Amino acid sequence: EPEVTQTPSHQVTQMGQEVILRCVPISNHLYFYWYRQILGQKVEFLVSFYNNEISEKSEIFDDQFSVERPDGSNFTLKIRSTKLEDSAMYFCASSETGGITEAFFGQGTRLTVV
Amino acid sequence: TQLLEQSPQFLSIQEGENLTVYCNSSSVFSSLQWYRQEPGEGPVLLVTVVTGGEVKKLKRLTFQFGDARKDSSLHITAAQPGDTGLYLCAGAASGTYKYIFGTGTRLKVLA
Repeated sequence: EPEVTQTPSHQVTQMGQEVILRCVPISNHLYFYWYRQILGQKVEFLVSFYNNEISEKSEIFDDQFSVERPDGSNFTLKIRSTKLEDSAMYFCASSETGGITEAFFGQGTRLTVV
Repeated sequence: TQLLEQSPQFLSIQEGENLTVYCNSSSVFSSLQWYRQEPGEGPVLLVTVVTGGEVKKLKRLTFQFGDARKDSSLHITAAQPGDTGLYLCAGAASGTYKYIFGTGTRLKVLA
């Protein structure tokens, strides 16, 4: 069964460093998303991406964050100058179309900023 | 700001009991999904409901979308320890490209 895969599963980084979280969405899906979940809190929307551009983003997704689809299969989230409060599980998701259809989530990357 | 409130937040029941989890909002959603999440893992999609009043069944799980598409419920019949987990609802509003997640219901089924 097709699935969304994320790497790495766990990333530890020093405060102030840049990190890139990687995702391979399901191959025929056209919409891609990043969400995060701070420990003990609810899943929060960060950004959606379609046709090589951001279609929607939340107030969390500020200039510190960027997304890219560098090739036909990968979808990345870059966090510049990480802060302690960026520590969270980051989930990538994809869907065939936006909104009305199901989103399938990856297993997540646990980011720990020390 | 669209919010989805789930109730109860926590639920601990004995194996064999029935339970209902609620997901409520003041906003209208074009679709609503239910997910189950295990600790340290991503949410796993259980079902999507799209039409107001729609009822979907998945084995012992029954999902209903409210007539006005503002709320939903998940009913589990004869709960089993394997049902233990965090249940999340997520709504997509018309014209947006994001899913808003609910606050979650943590279910524990005791053998």
